[in-house]
Amino acid sequence: GAGVSQSPRYKVAKRGQDVALRCDPISGHVSLFWYQQALGQGPEFLTYFQNEAQLDKSGLPSDRFFAERPEGSVSTLKIQRTQQEDSAVYLCASSLYRQGRHNSPLHFGNGTRLTVT
Amino acid sequence: GIQVEQSPPDLILQEGANSTLRCNFSDSVNNLQWFHQNPWGQLINLFYIPSGTKQNGRLSATTVATERYSLLYISSSQTTDSGVYFCAVGSGGGADGLTFGKGTHLIIQP
Repeated sequence: GAGVSQSPRYKVAKRGQDVALRCDPISGHVSLFWYQQALGQGPEFLTYFQNEAQLDKSGLPSDRFFAERPEGSVSTLKIQRTQQEDSAVYLCASSLYRQGRHNSPLHFGNGTRLTVT
Repeated sequence: GIQVEQSPPDLILQEGANSTLRCNFSDSVNNLQWFHQNPWGQLINLFYIPSGTKQNGRLSATTVATERYSLLYISSSQTTDSGVYFCAVGSGGGADGLTFGKGTHLIIQP
């Protein structure tokens, strides 16, 4: 497929469980972002990768959130000991170039809707 | 951090009408993008437009960076245009995520 792919599409977790969300960016895209979107709100930035390097993780809400992109392609967002306030849609996006002086359009996946019960 | 305000928050129009959505931002930007989130939640990139004017079919956008605003124009609206329109900006010279506004919720009635 040509687009950003995320899995699973839906995830229900009991409070305290660990979850892992996967993102397959568009092939060849250097930049990868994770965003969190609460109901009725705009997406909020979580973290940014340039290839395999995590250059910005300032948006991660707590140390229970961890992201990786070990080979500069697929990325995983892991949430440990999930809490109810973690319930949201988690969006992954990729873009062709590194962010900064030369930016490029952001392409989003369909997201993973996480519900913590 | 940079603030992004979108207006109006909600807009209901009849099919065929034209509309203008506005995005104001509080600081200089080097990255501005418009997105459409459809009722199924998919975010579609409409424009990458840190400055100037672009057109794509019935949609066009203008960013006046010196005055810190951008406008999205939708002409001859169709029901498939319904959804939420987001403006997102970035101001950093290095690695930074885009800051999104709260969006304009557009409903096009047949």
